[in-house]
Amino acid sequence: GQQVMQIPQYQHVQEGEDFTTYCNSSTTLSNIQWYKQRPGGHPVFLIQLVKSGEVKKQKRLTFQFGEAKKNSSLHITATQTTDVGTYFCAVGGAGSYQLTFGKGTKLSVIP
Amino acid sequence: SAVISQKPSRDICQRGTSLTIQCQVDSQVTMMFWYRQQPGQSLTLIATANQGSEATYESGFVIDKFPISRPNLTFSTLTVSNMSPEDSSIYLCSVGRLVSYNEQFFGPGTRLTVL
Repeated sequence: GQQVMQIPQYQHVQEGEDFTTYCNSSTTLSNIQWYKQRPGGHPVFLIQLVKSGEVKKQKRLTFQFGEAKKNSSLHITATQTTDVGTYFCAVGGAGSYQLTFGKGTKLSVIP
Repeated sequence: SAVISQKPSRDICQRGTSLTIQCQVDSQVTMMFWYRQQPGQSLTLIATANQGSEATYESGFVIDKFPISRPNLTFSTLTVSNMSPEDSSIYLCSVGRLVSYNEQFFGPGTRLTVL
């Protein structure tokens, strides 16, 4: 399956600071998804990006898909304690429903 | 979105025994998946549970160790057989949507500890 590298592994921010996590692939991706997993919880789907250069926003969250469809980012503006958790990117093969998850970025927010 | 339940939510088992985890969905779904998530790690796909046929296993996972049943479109089971402490993990089932997106909805997970 397709491989994706996610960085950083951990991020500690002060409440109100911004946060970004990145996913990179050596191959062109058909799509990329983002999930959030709260501590002790299960992954919850956030969004899917499909088009080259696509940018989507959900309140304070901004998702980008690179022009070459080989990388993606999730940016959170003015983090809050409710943003705490691990953010995973996941990639699916064309025509396949199976997902390969990145290693995740664990976000800690210091109040 | 689908509502997914898993049983048991957690269990502590002895080495050499087997545990069957159940996954129930509130609507009929074609795609069901089983994942393993070791503490602090990412999700690793074990297999795709196919209704009416054998499950499709990922590299490193075999049917003898992780037999899967999918008797209908709303239910699946994963058995962890002949357990060892290395099988201690969270096991999650998920379902996929068919149209527009292939995002997955996850059950709450089963936390397994093997002594």
